[in-house]
Amino acid sequence: DSGVTQTPKHLITATGQRVTLRCSPRSGDLSVYWYQQSLDQGLQFLIQYYNGEERAKGNILERFSAQQFPDLHSELNLSSLELGDSALYFCASSVVGGSINEQFFGPGTRLTVL
Amino acid sequence: AQSVTQLDSQVPVFEEAPVELRCNYSSSVSVYLFWYVQYPNQGLQLLLKYLSGSTLVKGINGFEAEFNKSQTSFHLRKPSVHISDTAEYFCAVSLAPGGSYIPTFGRGTSLIVHP
Repeated sequence: DSGVTQTPKHLITATGQRVTLRCSPRSGDLSVYWYQQSLDQGLQFLIQYYNGEERAKGNILERFSAQQFPDLHSELNLSSLELGDSALYFCASSVVGGSINEQFFGPGTRLTVL
Repeated sequence: AQSVTQLDSQVPVFEEAPVELRCNYSSSVSVYLFWYVQYPNQGLQLLLKYLSGSTLVKGINGFEAEFNKSQTSFHLRKPSVHISDTAEYFCAVSLAPGGSYIPTFGRGTSLIVHP
């Protein structure tokens, strides 16, 4: 158990819909990262937050957005869903945001768009 | 920008045999290197990391990796695998201070250990 929790575990929805994925980082970790894992793209970095502020942006679509709240939990919002958005979405956390800090991954949310 | 190539998508091996999972990276500057493991239905877990110093890095579960700067490689090895090592293994690279610290992950190597 990494100490990072993600809800829900599974999500099935239809095209065009909007969903929210939630992540609670390990106690004491200030930085949260979101990743998308799919068979064709592999593990892709989406976005990072550090202590409530956006820190780095990766291959995140404009239809996707995220935020980190004062209690440090984070939410990833996916809207106007397409079939190609079906993937595993991971949240990871680290103490700070530097590269030498180990990232601890949550168990993921499996999103299926029908 | 940095990139990572995991040369084998799948590596089948018998229990108690040695294994090597290959990873090559591309970067024009100094890097940090990582190996993560993903067990079925779980998130990624750090196996080991190379930041600086000794090129031979020891990790958890008996794994080790060797950083070879001239060959830009960071291959993962275990002298004797167990059934429980069956998992997906990811090599990752991030740039050393001054560059992007967001890791770039390889596509993964599926290690399948047969009895």
